[in-house]
Amino acid sequence: EAGVTQSPTHLIKTRGQQATLRCSPISGHTSVYWYQQALGLGLQFLLWYDEGEERNRGNFPPRFSGRQFPNYSSELNVNALELEDSALYLCASTPGPSNTEAFFGQGTRLTVV
Amino acid sequence: KQEVTQIPAALSVPEGENLVLNCSFTDSAIYNLQWFRQDPGKGLTSLLLIQSSQREQTSGRLNASLDKSSGRSTLYIAASQPGDSATYLCAVEGSNTGKLIFGQGTTLQVKP
Repeated sequence: EAGVTQSPTHLIKTRGQQATLRCSPISGHTSVYWYQQALGLGLQFLLWYDEGEERNRGNFPPRFSGRQFPNYSSELNVNALELEDSALYLCASTPGPSNTEAFFGQGTRLTVV
Repeated sequence: KQEVTQIPAALSVPEGENLVLNCSFTDSAIYNLQWFRQDPGKGLTSLLLIQSSQREQTSGRLNASLDKSSGRSTLYIAASQPGDSATYLCAVEGSNTGKLIFGQGTTLQVKP
């Protein structure tokens, strides 16, 4: 069984551009979560999607947004990129909403230059 | 506001040693606590999940305990191996927010 897959593995963008990151959850999982792991800041919760709806978002500006598709895959969009957005972005999935074991993908390394 | 702390930040031990990693959290109203492993530049691998009603979980050489009332969890690794070298993270999920709150991690080095 395939785990959580993320694409691309690496992404290099220029300040001010937009970045789109993609995530495919484990088959049968309906909830998808996005986290940011910036150097020295630890893992920070970004967004939670379940059944196509945004259920919760962390303390990030509105230029961080996303969506979940009918097949439960998800994408994270970051607009007007800033140098501080450089980080490892991790996606996780669970079988349903909360209180279950979370499985993470390998992440997308976003570098803003 | 929930805060998660992991001690020590780094640990270096010789191969074969048994070791304990500590995790503490400030708000005991949690749904569950999960331990993860992260290799450098990689994603997280789930090790153990402890529901709030449970006291411990075991998987192979790993044993995790949970004391909700005192806000503590420990991850016990038996007979450590060089392949165990990684950063270990604990995370708690509170009420139905879908949000895991992570500690800063303990970076473990097991020397051959």
